[in-house]
Amino acid sequence: SAVISQKPSRDICQRGTSLTIQCQVDSQVTMMFWYRQQPGQSLTLIATANQGSEATYESGFVIDKFPISRPNLTFSTLTVSNMSPEDSSIYLCSVEKDFSGSGELFFGEGSRLTVL
Amino acid sequence: DAKTTQPPSMDCAEGRAANLPCNHSTISGNEYVYWYRQIHSQGPQYIIHGLKNNETNEMASLIITEDRKSSTLILPHATLRDTAVYYCIVMGGGSNYKLTFGKGTLLTVNP
Repeated sequence: SAVISQKPSRDICQRGTSLTIQCQVDSQVTMMFWYRQQPGQSLTLIATANQGSEATYESGFVIDKFPISRPNLTFSTLTVSNMSPEDSSIYLCSVEKDFSGSGELFFGEGSRLTVL
Repeated sequence: DAKTTQPPSMDCAEGRAANLPCNHSTISGNEYVYWYRQIHSQGPQYIIHGLKNNETNEMASLIITEDRKSSTLILPHATLRDTAVYYCIVMGGGSNYKLTFGKGTLLTVNP
């Protein structure tokens, strides 16, 4: 299994500011993913964070708005830049279980962001 | 990735089996069926996955039809703690585990 810690668990931010969310895993993992869950909606993949290379963004998400860092195999950050109320969501970090290729992913508890 | 269709909601009595259906009629030969669930205010939790054979683990059983166009997740003895949104996801091995979540089924287990 994998234990994933996200910080902050929740925050209230002002329009136009930026917030960085941290994801710490208790073991080394190859692939880390960042998801967004808007109120009452399902999860949407933002990007895949690969160690040692640029993150790979999904359609509709850009690096300027959601810069991601992946400095090592246990840590990643997602920044939500120049926030607007539409960015109010839960942001979730996810990791692949191991290198077995099972496709079993572990998720953090999420970071609930409210933008005023 | 193939799309899936699930009923938006289901009810189940506590202690009874919960059978959650999923249609994935356009599934490809190398795509697996995954089930995750999300309990309120928590991150999603992996339940089970399979290719074409039925699978069982400590949480649930997965029944995949012979033509692989549909599947059923079975919680053998549902408890109140099983109340959650259940997501059926089809994903190929070459997709680098990029899960595409649909709307899922809200299962409500009633006392």
